[in-house]
Amino acid sequence: AQSVTQPDIHITVSEGASLELRCNYSYGATPYLFWYVQSPGQGLQLLLKYFSGDTLVQGIKGFEAEFKRSQSSFNLRKPSVHWSDAAEYFCAVGSNYQLIWGAGTKLIIKP
Amino acid sequence: GAGVSQSPSNKVTEKGKDVELRCDPISGHTALYWYRQSLGQGLEFLIYFQGNSAPDKSGLPSDRFSAERTGGSVSTLTIQRTQQEDSAVYLCASSLGGVLGNQPQHFGDGTRLSIL
Repeated sequence: AQSVTQPDIHITVSEGASLELRCNYSYGATPYLFWYVQSPGQGLQLLLKYFSGDTLVQGIKGFEAEFKRSQSSFNLRKPSVHWSDAAEYFCAVGSNYQLIWGAGTKLIIKP
Repeated sequence: GAGVSQSPSNKVTEKGKDVELRCDPISGHTALYWYRQSLGQGLEFLIYFQGNSAPDKSGLPSDRFSAERTGGSVSTLTIQRTQQEDSAVYLCASSLGGVLGNQPQHFGDGTRLSIL
């Protein structure tokens, strides 16, 4: 069965530091992969998506993610985080007509 | 607006009452999803509508939960005889649909439901 794992429930980084959020998936075919962000009290906003082609995908707000088929991973990165990046981040894989969701990683920014 | 609209944004009700939550999807989106998000948890799929097809109700937690989508647009999620464990944020999303799963979902801001 398809699944998505986000191993880190919480991650704390200092403002200005680099960030990497991990996502591993289990899927039999070429996956459609997504990262979403949820700010407090709001719905989810699409950060970026991967369908095919270049394995390094650029998204909004300075985020990028790299698809690594050999590792079944789609990790999210940002070179320098801002306090406004504090939020919860969800990875998802497209399966048939649905998205299979990870449990989320809460990002905490230290001043 | 152009986004997914949900109402009410907050709902407080007494245990045992029925509640209705509304979702207005993005115009032209054929797929509509309902999710539940309990405090500090991920997304729990509830139900999916695609065009005129029969909905996928596989995520509904009990027969107290039902949803309909009128005219392929607005959707209502109804919870009957609410229980305290129904307290959560209910999120609606819409997309262009399709079987490939390659269409991103666009989310509303959710309805925060509190059962006293």
